Amino acid sequence: GDSVTQMEGPVTLSEEAFLTINCTYTATGYPSLFWYVQYPGEGLQLLLKATKADDKGSNKGFEATYRKETTSFHLEKGSVQVSDSAVYFCALKWATGSYQLTFGKGTKLSVIP
Amino acid sequence: DAGVTQSPTHLIKTRGQQVTLRCSPKSGHDTVSWYQQALGQGPQFIFQYYEEEERQRGNFPDRFSGHQFPNYSSELNVNALLLGDSALYLCASSYTGDVQPQHFGDGTRLSIL
Repeated sequence: GDSVTQMEGPVTLSEEAFLTINCTYTATGYPSLFWYVQYPGEGLQLLLKATKADDKGSNKGFEATYRKETTSFHLEKGSVQVSDSAVYFCALKWATGSYQLTFGKGTKLSVIP
Repeated sequence: DAGVTQSPTHLIKTRGQQVTLRCSPKSGHDTVSWYQQALGQGPQFIFQYYEEEERQRGNFPDRFSGHQFPNYSSELNVNALLLGDSALYLCASSYTGDVQPQHFGDGTRLSIL
């Protein structure tokens, strides 16, 4: 079945460092891909999405490009802030025929001043 | 504009009891999905309701049931609670279309003693 694999955490970075969180997926076909962020004590917030190959999703300085050749959707940010400390989830969803989001296990990011 | 609201925020039950969790979708949304998030894991899809019917179900036993009301709000019921049911239960809403992103509430933290 479909699955999403994220890099193991936790990840600790200094403020203004470059961030990459790897995400790869296993699925037959081309699902829509998402990054969600979960701040402590809160639910998930949609960070960005891409619905087809080579699409780039971006929001709040974060970017991710849908790479079908490597079945990847890596999250990047050029300069992280303390306020970016959270758990980040990669997820996939089919455009038709299925209504569920399939999530990775999440990657906890801590940014220190 | 209120987002997805869930109640209660926290709940403590004992094994064998039954519990009901509630969710009000974001204004304009007509579809409600429920997810279970165990500690340190990504959310797992339980089921989705649309037009007061369950239209897709994840890999959860029949102890998990739900309901959607004419105003689109929803309930999640869990019978015969087990210790393993301890988790954060997330409700997500969306507008009918398959490709619409799901918006999450802050969840209900259920603890089973």
